[in-house]
Amino acid sequence: GAGVSQSPSNKVTEKGKDVELRCDPISGHTALYWYRQSLGQGLEFLIYFQGNSAPDKSGLPSDRFSAERTGGSVSTLTIQRTQQEDSAVYLCASSPGRGDEKLFFGSGTQLSVL
Amino acid sequence: EDQVTQSPEALRLQEGESSSLNCSYTVSGLRGLFWYRQDPGKGPEFLFTLYSAGEEKEKERLKATLTKKESFLHITAPKPEDSATYLCAVTKGAQKLVFGQGTRLTINP
Repeated sequence: GAGVSQSPSNKVTEKGKDVELRCDPISGHTALYWYRQSLGQGLEFLIYFQGNSAPDKSGLPSDRFSAERTGGSVSTLTIQRTQQEDSAVYLCASSPGRGDEKLFFGSGTQLSVL
Repeated sequence: EDQVTQSPEALRLQEGESSSLNCSYTVSGLRGLFWYRQDPGKGPEFLFTLYSAGEEKEKERLKATLTKKESFLHITAPKPEDSATYLCAVTKGAQKLVFGQGTRLTINP
């Protein structure tokens, strides 16, 4: 596709349920990032992939959060046993990964935990 | 700890009224400073990258400048379509951007 695609665009879940958020990066982009944006807050880094490996996962807030990337393309962010404080917009971004840190963002997944 | 602070939090201008947004940072070993624009319900859209003090970049009505401690985004004769949240971010080259909280800009016709 022409840009970074995220699905679903909106997700409402109950506290304690698991959720999976999907990101399709721009074709050929080797670097992929997940950020979280809470209401009125700046973007909070979660994890960075180069290819299928994650050299920096320092931003994952707890062991309930995990992410994987397969085929150097699609990535899934999984949140287990969701809590109300997990409610936020989860943004995915990709870049060519050649030391170019200009990121291309998707429109995000709005997660609401009731 | 690396910090990025943007001011003001919100700014309302009349169409044609020029102004500046500020981004101050405390980062050791800054490698680059980025400006992004974010419209409601959308992801941030890249505007500029600045790498060294004294550098300037321009795009239409926007000009970004960088010093050793801060960056300014100057908006000249803004139009209503310039209304958005403007985000500043810094990197130390570790493939991780640290973002400020943004300035919400509203341009009234």
